Amino acid sequence: ETGVTQTPRHLVMGMTNKKSLKCEQHLGHNAMYWYKQSAKKPLELMFVYNFKEQTENNSVPSRFSPECPNSSHLFLHLHTLQPEDSALYLCASSQDFGLAGVGSVKNEQFFGPGTRLTVL
Amino acid sequence: GQNIDQPTEMTATEGAIVQINCTYQTSGFNGLFWYQQHAGEAPTFLSYNVLDGLEEKGRFSSFLSRSKGYSYLLLKELQMKDSASYLCAPGGSYIPTFGRGTSLIVHP
Repeated sequence: ETGVTQTPRHLVMGMTNKKSLKCEQHLGHNAMYWYKQSAKKPLELMFVYNFKEQTENNSVPSRFSPECPNSSHLFLHLHTLQPEDSALYLCASSQDFGLAGVGSVKNEQFFGPGTRLTVL
Repeated sequence: GQNIDQPTEMTATEGAIVQINCTYQTSGFNGLFWYQQHAGEAPTFLSYNVLDGLEEKGRFSSFLSRSKGYSYLLLKELQMKDSASYLCAPGGSYIPTFGRGTSLIVHP
């Protein structure tokens, strides 16, 4: 248990469906992240929120829409996905970032277990 | 941008020592992370280096040379449970960018 939970753990959806992934962290962190992990590929950063403000959007298609209502919760809304979007979606949190000094591990990330998404 | 290079796969014997190398090129640098990821599980933090030199933590040590853009993870007294993927993640902008990972197979 890392203190970061994700639901659902598995999701199968059609290309016309709308679904949402949920992430919750119980660590008192201020930064939260969405990553995509496909087979044989490195972790791809999708979105970053710091103190509820989106600070990174790594050229992610608009069919993925993040929402961060507070520092403990992060959502990823999905609509009209493609089969190539099938992957493991990982949520992570860290204390914050951008404020750490040399030698700090303030942005050590704690990952949730992930949601295994299959798009048919 | 970031360019991260680490071997795809390594094998080693239980009880042995293995060194996983990582070379990187980043625009800016704010430390380098190593994570462990078992199959089907989330990555877990192993180590963080921001200054040159060796950081030791139990059976695991991590080394960094900023001038060479080089790091390695050293695993001693290997155990079967160490079979996993090891991700090198330099942080160019405080947010680490992950390499493809090195799949380590430990056999008896």
